[in-house]
Amino acid sequence: ILNVEQSPQSLHVQEGDSTNFTCSFPSSNFYALHWYRWETAKSPEALFVMTLNGDEKKKGRISATLNTKEGYSYLYIKGSQPEDSATYLCAFITNAGNMLTFGGGTRLMVKP
Amino acid sequence: GAGVSQTPSNKVTEKGKYVELRCDPISGHTALYWYRQSLGQGPEFLIYFQGTGAADDSGLPNDRFFAVRPEGSVSTLKIQRTERGDSAVYLCASSLLGSTTQAFFGQGTRLTVV
Repeated sequence: ILNVEQSPQSLHVQEGDSTNFTCSFPSSNFYALHWYRWETAKSPEALFVMTLNGDEKKKGRISATLNTKEGYSYLYIKGSQPEDSATYLCAFITNAGNMLTFGGGTRLMVKP
Repeated sequence: GAGVSQTPSNKVTEKGKYVELRCDPISGHTALYWYRQSLGQGPEFLIYFQGTGAADDSGLPNDRFFAVRPEGSVSTLKIQRTERGDSAVYLCASSLLGSTTQAFFGQGTRLTVV
């Protein structure tokens, strides 16, 4: 069983704060890492697909970095807005298969 | 359709009954995944199809769970003799080529076994 951990489990920030959270995964047999945003009552939405060590991806105010050697990825949100409130999930894929193994998610709440 | 569609969106069933959950993936997507999310946890892998065949069904919890994708498009997740512990949101996702391309999720089916 692969262990994919996300921290913190939940996070409350004020509008305008910048924040970041972590996804830890096994460093061996790495193939890809996905980040998703899941808003209540909606489908999980893909943010990033990361495959290379040292990858940095950016989408608006959200960015992510990847370290496959040490087995972690960071997701950063700059200047949080209430509409950023959601659960952020990471999912790890090994080179032995195609299934996504999800972490437990980080629930972000941004107060206006 | 434009996205992944799952039906029904909500299903309440009595313990012991049989249920079917349907997933319509995005047209042309060969990879299809089923996941289950219980309250407070991340999605848990159930089964992965590449085309018509189940490439990996190692996540199915027991033999009461079965999934098919006979024509490589629509998939049905079947649960026999439902138990209260089966209550969860069942998510379906599809992707074009597998794990290095992004997966698109449906909104899920919330199953409640009473």
